[in-house]
This record gives sequence, structure tokens and C-alpha cells, in this order.
Amino acid sequence: SQTIHQWPATLVQPVGSPLSLECTVEGTSNPNLYWYRQAAGRGLQLLFYSVGIGQISSEVPQNLSASRPQDRQFILSSKKLLLSDSGFYLCAWRLAGGNEQFFGPGTRLTVL
Amino acid sequence: KNQVEQSPQSLIILEGKNCTLQCNYTVSPFSNLRWYKQDTGRGPVSLTIMTFSENTKSNGRYTATLDADTKQSSLHITASQLSDSASYICVVSRGGFKTIFGAGTRLFVKA
Repeated sequence: SQTIHQWPATLVQPVGSPLSLECTVEGTSNPNLYWYRQAAGRGLQLLFYSVGIGQISSEVPQNLSASRPQDRQFILSSKKLLLSDSGFYLCAWRLAGGNEQFFGPGTRLTVL
Repeated sequence: KNQVEQSPQSLIILEGKNCTLQCNYTVSPFSNLRWYKQDTGRGPVSLTIMTFSENTKSNGRYTATLDADTKQSSLHITASQLSDSASYICVVSRGGFKTIFGAGTRLFVKA
């Protein structure tokens, strides 16, 4: 069976510090991968998606970047965090051509 | 504009009662509609998925309906339990990577 992992579960970082959130998927090959941010009381906002190694598409301009160094690894990064980067970050995967996305447990990021 | 609107924003019900959550969308083209349950501090988990030709789908005590003509969907929860307390998110896919998420309905089930 397929599983998706995210870490860390929670993170508190000062403004201006770098960020690296990691997401890995097990039990499937060549998944489509997604990074979302969820603000309180708001719908999920798609940040990045990837159809393969090294292939990243960005949905909104922002202070963040994503990379996919391996087939089942998706990394969300920032060189300098802003207060507005605080939120709940969710990674998701989907079978290429499939209908459903499967979400990871999320990372709660607080920027102080 | 492609939007998904959910109502109510929050809802409090007593354990054992039924409730219905609403989702209206203005997404085009339409590929499918899903309902997710999201426990606090966790990732969303899929409850149901419906394509254009399906107008009802059940998953245990959860029953989703879809009216593609009026672009409305509902999620009915029967005999609610304390563990049903969560956010319920309506998600409409336009196909491919184009997915629109509703803001969710926060359900509180009280003993």
C-alpha cells in the first residue's frame, strides 16, 4: 500500500531564516506530487506541483520554491522566511491520470 | 470565476443527530467532485468522489449527492458521532492539475 510522509510535523522559525520541508511517498512510482498551504478558515492553496523528477510548476508567485530530486521526494524551501509564510503545509500525491489526491499529515509552520 | 462555496461555515449538532453540508460551485469544465474530511492538524482524507454522471455516493454514514445541472452538492451525515467532529471540504476538479478547494465546513458534534 502507498503511504506519504511529511516532516517535521511542527516547526517554529524566526523571520529571515531558511526553510526546508520534506515529503516522501512510498509504494508507488512516478506519482504526481503537490504542495499546498492552508490558512485558517481558507481553502487549500496550491503552491507547486510536479509530474516528474526535476519538473516543477508554480501556481502562485511567492517566497517559496520546490524541488524534486528523486521520484518520490518533494521538498519545499525558502531562503528567507516571512511572517506571512506561517501556515499549515500539506503534501499530496496522485497517480498519473488518477482522480484522487492523497494527502500527507501536514507541517504546521509558525514564523515569529 | 472558478469558485467553490460551502455552507454553513460552522455547525454544532448533538451526537446521534443528522446533518447536511452544502457545496455550490461555479467551476468549468467539470471533471469530478470530492468530499474530504480533515481532522484538526491532520491532512484531508477522501470520503466520496463523484463524476458528472453520478448523483449519489455513499460511504458508511456519509452520503454525498451531486446535481450537475444546478452545480450543487451536499454531504449528509447520519447518526453523527463525536468522531465526526472535523472540517469537511468540498473539492471540484477541472481535470488535470486544476483543482478548486472550498474553505470547508467546521462540524462540532457534542455529547
